[in-house]
Amino acid sequence: GAVVSQHPSWVICKSGTSVKIECRSLDFQATTMFWYRQFPKQSLMLMATSNEGSKATYEQGVEKDKFLINHASLTLSTLTVTSAHPEDSSFYICSAIGSGSPTDTQYFGPGTRLTVL
Amino acid sequence: AQSVTQLDSQVPVFEEAPVELRCNYSSSVSVYLFWYVQYPNQGLQLLLKYLSGSTLVKGINGFEAEFNKSQTSFHLRKPSVHISDTAEYFCAVSDGGGFKTIFGAGTRLFVKA
Repeated sequence: GAVVSQHPSWVICKSGTSVKIECRSLDFQATTMFWYRQFPKQSLMLMATSNEGSKATYEQGVEKDKFLINHASLTLSTLTVTSAHPEDSSFYICSAIGSGSPTDTQYFGPGTRLTVL
Repeated sequence: AQSVTQLDSQVPVFEEAPVELRCNYSSSVSVYLFWYVQYPNQGLQLLLKYLSGSTLVKGINGFEAEFNKSQTSFHLRKPSVHISDTAEYFCAVSDGGGFKTIFGAGTRLFVKA
């Protein structure tokens, strides 16, 4: 089946620094990628939807200047957490859709655990 | 607006017993329904999905779910669980107009020996 990878799998950083998380579709072209945030023992909250070559669409309440998303190619999307603070610590998960159909399966990455000290 | 309610936050069950994880949804339009499983510190894996057609959907690992439009439910079932089924299970819904998927709060299935 389709594989989505994330790098790094975990990262610890100091408060005030920026962290970049990569999401790659390894064996298919992802027209649309999604970024989710998951707090411990909670569900996934959609942060933004990104389409290759265009600006990401952010969900209400998500700061677009803080969570920068770039979908520069059909196989790569990046999420940059700028000026990270301890409250940004979370599990970040990306997913990708291949054909562009709403009925297509979302393939999820393994997640990135961010800890901000 | 769409929403998903998973009625049980935790479901403990003995190995080889049957299990049902409940999910109700609300939507003003036709929906697509999904069940995902998440193992600790991992992403989500699709168990099964309902798009249209037969209301009984069979998925991986012996799971199945039944779409009930009148009761707006999509409960997940397995006739005999294994220790390895211990995980978090998420019900999700999306509409046909776009890709946005709404997830339920999750149900932790704990299989005991």
